[in-house]
Amino acid sequence: GQNIDQPTEMTATEGAIVQINCTYQTSGFNGLFWYQQHAGEAPTFLSYNVLDGLEEKGRFSSFLSRSKGYSYLLLKELQMKDSASYLCAVLDSNYQLIWGAGTKLIIKP
Amino acid sequence: DGGITQSPKYLFRKEGQNVTLSCEQNLNHDAMYWYRQDPGQGLRLIYYSQIVNDFQKGDIAEGYSVSREKKESFPLTVTSAQKNPTAFYLCASSFGTGHVNQPQHFGDGTRLSIL
Repeated sequence: GQNIDQPTEMTATEGAIVQINCTYQTSGFNGLFWYQQHAGEAPTFLSYNVLDGLEEKGRFSSFLSRSKGYSYLLLKELQMKDSASYLCAVLDSNYQLIWGAGTKLIIKP
Repeated sequence: DGGITQSPKYLFRKEGQNVTLSCEQNLNHDAMYWYRQDPGQGLRLIYYSQIVNDFQKGDIAEGYSVSREKKESFPLTVTSAQKNPTAFYLCASSFGTGHVNQPQHFGDGTRLSIL
């Protein structure tokens, strides 16, 4: 079966750095997406990786290792507004998005 | 501004009643999707449509129906056959399978509850 694993919850301090991991086992791979979702709101797109390596976009970076079925989202200089759930999703061989359950990130002052 | 509009934001369903959730987009996207989100679970695909007048079942289509008569619109009906409809429903759209690096864009969601 297809599976995406993320930690359920993480806590970090304002101004610090946090890494949210995602491991996946899917039928085929056409890319991996990270989304941010504030409580009760729509998910918003953060990043897309299809090749191995690190993609940097401001305070947020995303890493992919296809051979290990592994990705992480790195958030730097954490702000209170970064408190949200972070969703990992893989585009499989049928071009369907397979979603992880999300990681709830709690930022403390 | 382009975007996806879902309505209503909150909806209550009585036993035995069908209810319809609206989803409209003006992004000129070919593909549209309906997801259900329950606490502690990932988004689950209900139905999707890659083109007007065509749609496919997702992983949890039982108790739901859709139509795609216009490119901009993809309404979802939650029928009385869906015994556990309480959830957060999200509509999304994208340029489709020919644009794999293009993300899905989401509406603000409809929260459905049972009366």
